[in-house]
Amino acid sequence: NAGVTQTPKFRILKIGQSMTLQCAQDMNHNYMYWYRQDPGMGLKLIYYSVGAGITDKGEVPNGYNVSRSTTEDFPLRLELAAPSQTSVYFCASTPVGQGSYEQYFGPGTRLTVT
Amino acid sequence: AQSVTQPDIHITVSEGASLELRCNYSYGATPYLFWYVQSPGQGLQLLLKYFSGDTLVQGIKGFEAEFKRSQSSFNLRKPSVHWSDAAEYFCAVCAHGGGSYIPTFGRGTSLIVHP
Repeated sequence: NAGVTQTPKFRILKIGQSMTLQCAQDMNHNYMYWYRQDPGMGLKLIYYSVGAGITDKGEVPNGYNVSRSTTEDFPLRLELAAPSQTSVYFCASTPVGQGSYEQYFGPGTRLTVT
Repeated sequence: AQSVTQPDIHITVSEGASLELRCNYSYGATPYLFWYVQSPGQGLQLLLKYFSGDTLVQGIKGFEAEFKRSQSSFNLRKPSVHWSDAAEYFCAVCAHGGGSYIPTFGRGTSLIVHP
């Protein structure tokens, strides 16, 4: 298994541009999450999904959108990028209901908006 | 609502010394509890977890944690720290049963290891 994969690893955007951060997992996990990590702030939940076709907002959803058309993929869309969205973004998945409940994290995407 | 507090932003220890990282949580019942480690430029990796049963849990890399219900704590320990343990450590808590499974993370403790 590749686990949780994220692309790209790094990206620089200009203010007002848009982009999609890709996330995929090959473990058949039902729950998937997007977090952003800023220095000293821990992880903040942006959006999560409990299964294909079902998504919900987390703590900091403004400026972001998600979709989950398949179990495997959970892309995060940034519209009209702003400097406040400069951060490291992590995708994670969890097999809720299958006895484990731990989160499996991707390697992250470092995004700079200038 | 659940919450997690990691009171130490930075911890500095000498290689070979013992380590304890503190984690306190707020939740009405016994939650699922986790410790994750993040090396520079990497994602988070699970060190250990507590769901129920024995309150002293063993994890990878020689780490252990003890759940103390009376203190709402889940402190992480290691008897002898190695230089490779230098990393960021996150405690997480998650309610379970009857709702969405959304963990809450602490702000993290940065471990610095001196030779």
